[in-house]
Amino acid sequence: NAGVMQNPRHLVRRRGQEARLRCSPMKGHSHVYWYRQLPEEGLKFMVYLQKENIIDESGMPKERFSAEFPKEGPSILRIQQVVRGDSAAYFCASEGAVSTDTQYFGPGTRLTVL
Amino acid sequence: GNSVTQMEGPVTLSEEAFLTINCTYTATGYPSLFWYVQYPGEGLQLLLKATKADDKGSNKGFEATYRKETTSFHLEKGSVQVSDSAVYFCALRHSGNTPLVFGKGTRLSVIA
Repeated sequence: NAGVMQNPRHLVRRRGQEARLRCSPMKGHSHVYWYRQLPEEGLKFMVYLQKENIIDESGMPKERFSAEFPKEGPSILRIQQVVRGDSAAYFCASEGAVSTDTQYFGPGTRLTVL
Repeated sequence: GNSVTQMEGPVTLSEEAFLTINCTYTATGYPSLFWYVQYPGEGLQLLLKATKADDKGSNKGFEATYRKETTSFHLEKGSVQVSDSAVYFCALRHSGNTPLVFGKGTRLSVIA
């Protein structure tokens, strides 16, 4: 059973460009969480999605950031018009519908904005 | 609101030394408590967890006990190895299918 997959692992963008981060949850998992880790900081929750629904986006900036989890395919975190402050590691975690109280994390995407 | 406070790092220990990383939390009700470990360049791995007061989580020689009276979940290991060098995160959540709340992490370096 493959774990949580994220791609790309590293992403470099110039200011003003768009960044798209992908997350494929573990097989059978329908819940996805996105977290952001700034340098020397802990992980901060951004958004929680189930298939085709955003459940909680209270941690996501209101502008430039969006997330989706379509019926088919991976979850996408999209950052428009990136700025240097968006440079961080972005992790997704997945969980099954019947919660075991454990989230399984992917390896992360490290975004660098030049 | 909910929050987690960990001891500041970095922590540097010699191999076979005893490890304690302090973690305290603020939360309403009875959250579940977790320790995650992040090795260099990797994502987070669940190390251990406890879901109710007085529970002890353990894994790979690491232990932590859920102390409701002191709102703590300190991580301990009796004899650390070089391979334990990583960043350790304490976290809480209130129920399944809710986000985790993390501490800032504690970097551990173990030298031979």
